[in-house]
Amino acid sequence: GQQLNQSPQSMFIQEGEDVSMNCTSSSIFNTWLWYKQDPGEGPVLLIALYKAGELTSNGRLTAQFGITRKDSFLNISASIPSDVGIYFCAGHKINRDDKIIFGKGTRLHILP
Amino acid sequence: DAGVIQSPRHEVTEMGQEVTLRCKPISGHDYLFWYRQTMMRGLELLIYFNNNVPIDDSGMPEDRFSAKMPNASFSTLKIQPSEPRDSAVYFCASSGPQGRTEAFFGQGTRLTVV
Repeated sequence: GQQLNQSPQSMFIQEGEDVSMNCTSSSIFNTWLWYKQDPGEGPVLLIALYKAGELTSNGRLTAQFGITRKDSFLNISASIPSDVGIYFCAGHKINRDDKIIFGKGTRLHILP
Repeated sequence: DAGVIQSPRHEVTEMGQEVTLRCKPISGHDYLFWYRQTMMRGLELLIYFNNNVPIDDSGMPEDRFSAKMPNASFSTLKIQPSEPRDSAVYFCASSGPQGRTEAFFGQGTRLTVV
């Protein structure tokens, strides 16, 4: 079946560092989504990307839709303690009746 | 809007019992998704509906699982009989209106089957 390969699986960084994570697939997607999940909560949408090459920012977060349509990355600048959580990428194809496929997530830890 | 509302937040039940999880999607959304999350398998799509009609239930683990959406504002996921391996967090999500693919998630139901 379709799979999204998200990396890294986990990250341990110092507060203030920049973070980069990415998602790749063997399939082409029409939409890329990035979510964050806090403990005990559901995933919350951070950024949605609809065009190949699109670069979108949301505060300290920046995400890009790869030009091949098979990948996307998420950057977090100047990390702060509340950035801790699990970040998921998700892809969706042109036909809206296709499923939204989720990556396995990147677990971000911030060292004091 | 209050967002996607799921109930209960936590459910502990004995093996063999019937479990019913409930979801109220965001008003106006035409897609509803049921996901299951475990440490081992991550987020798995179980089933989704469009305009109250089930579109794809290929993710439903087995016949013990069933889902209904009797109207645009309510859906249920039922497990009967429940087993310990069904223990997971179950999320409901909705998306819409037409042309928007972002899914918005509820807070989830943490199910523990003992």
